[in-house]
Amino acid sequence: EIVLTQSPGTLSLSPGERASLSCRASQSVSGRSLAWYQQKPGQAPRLLVYGASSRATGIPDRFSGSGSGTDFTLTITGLEPEDFAVYYCHQYVTTPRTFGQGTKVEIK
Amino acid sequence: QITLKESGPTLVKPTQSLTLTCTFTGFSLTTSGVGVGWIRQPPGKALEWVAVIFWNDNKYYGPSLTSRVTVAKDTSGNQVALTLTNVDPADTATYYCAHTTYDSGPHPVDIWGQGTMVTVSS
Repeated sequence: EIVLTQSPGTLSLSPGERASLSCRASQSVSGRSLAWYQQKPGQAPRLLVYGASSRATGIPDRFSGSGSGTDFTLTITGLEPEDFAVYYCHQYVTTPRTFGQGTKVEIK
Repeated sequence: QITLKESGPTLVKPTQSLTLTCTFTGFSLTTSGVGVGWIRQPPGKALEWVAVIFWNDNKYYGPSLTSRVTVAKDTSGNQVALTLTNVDPADTATYYCAHTTYDSGPHPVDIWGQGTMVTVSS
């Protein structure tokens, strides 16, 4: 099983600032099969990025993903008020598929 | 347009079995490459992968639940059922079903249902 470790647990930032979220895998995620989701309270997760760096349909370009192997990053350039939420990384290359424990981006 | 909706009991007693149904539109599990996954989320906690079933009836389960969970598809009705046996209060969670695909490689779950909250308590 691939264990995903996200850091930091909480990120306190102001609107307009840049957020950098890390996801580290216990073993290499081949094919860059790593996705990022955003979840707001009371809502289902929403797919933001797949294939480590491809934005899902309708996702603003302030969201960008990067990385390969065991180290991946989600960057939000210029936080908007609606971006304050919890973010999860997810590997889907092997079974069982797994999620990270989440990073909460909160308003400072 | 793809939509999914979970349904089932909201309260289950410990040791009982829980069956949830995912009813979907906009795709069919008879189509090559299509799959439906189940993910759960205990209150205030992270997402946990539960199971996935594909068009060819291949099924994969999360390791912590393998002995208690089964997933089955009803292709004619566009439904997938998740059954969890011998439930425990630790199974209290919101359960989501979601669409996924596997063509020329795996794809992540992309469209999610709204989720259904299940409480295990006597």
